[in-house]
Amino acid sequence: GAVVSQHPSWVICKSGTSVKIECRSLDFQATTMFWYRQFPKQSLMLMATSNEGSKATYEQGVEKDKFLINHASLTLSTLTVTSAHPEDSSFYICSARDTLLAGRNTDTQYFGPGTRLTVL
Amino acid sequence: GQSLEQPSEVTAVEGAIVQINCTYQTSGFYGLSWYQQHDGGAPTFLSYNALDGLEETGRFSSFLSRSDSYGYLLLQELQMKDSASYFCAVTSGTYKYIFGTGTRLKVLA
Repeated sequence: GAVVSQHPSWVICKSGTSVKIECRSLDFQATTMFWYRQFPKQSLMLMATSNEGSKATYEQGVEKDKFLINHASLTLSTLTVTSAHPEDSSFYICSARDTLLAGRNTDTQYFGPGTRLTVL
Repeated sequence: GQSLEQPSEVTAVEGAIVQINCTYQTSGFYGLSWYQQHDGGAPTFLSYNALDGLEETGRFSSFLSRSDSYGYLLLQELQMKDSASYFCAVTSGTYKYIFGTGTRLKVLA
């Protein structure tokens, strides 16, 4: 159980185009999902918290108009990188928090396999 | 500000025991998690401590002292496949994860 998928696993795009990344919780409901970005040999940096049915909460320094997040259902959140540039090339990872475990000692996040974005 | 500090790199030989420390300073604390990440892969969950003390899961153990804002991951009977990066993460007051700087573990034959 507790599987999170991401699609695509990797994508190469031209500068100026937009890229959509999907994050799905396959066997549990996730009211809250998180989007991270990781540059080579660095830690995971939280970009935003995605809440089902409401606007995402962005971390300081993350442009909300550039990184559009939609959480339209309890099992799906999407991250769209708009007008991508080479500096947006990174490993994007989502995680999902099991709604039924929220607030308990077993509350944890389940991570997707990540999406490697390369912008040419 | 909020921060989690870890040693950047640790090297040990197969069969040895290694301890990776994590000291944190965060606003709000619900628990400390540990994740393993191989190059090119996603983080995989290892352990979670919400209360003080030692949690043991097979070859891996994790310890937490909330009064000292400190925890560690203990890896026993090291194997080559344990070579990876290890991250501690604090579940903050808003249930967000704040990740540590990461420790790269190299296991030598």
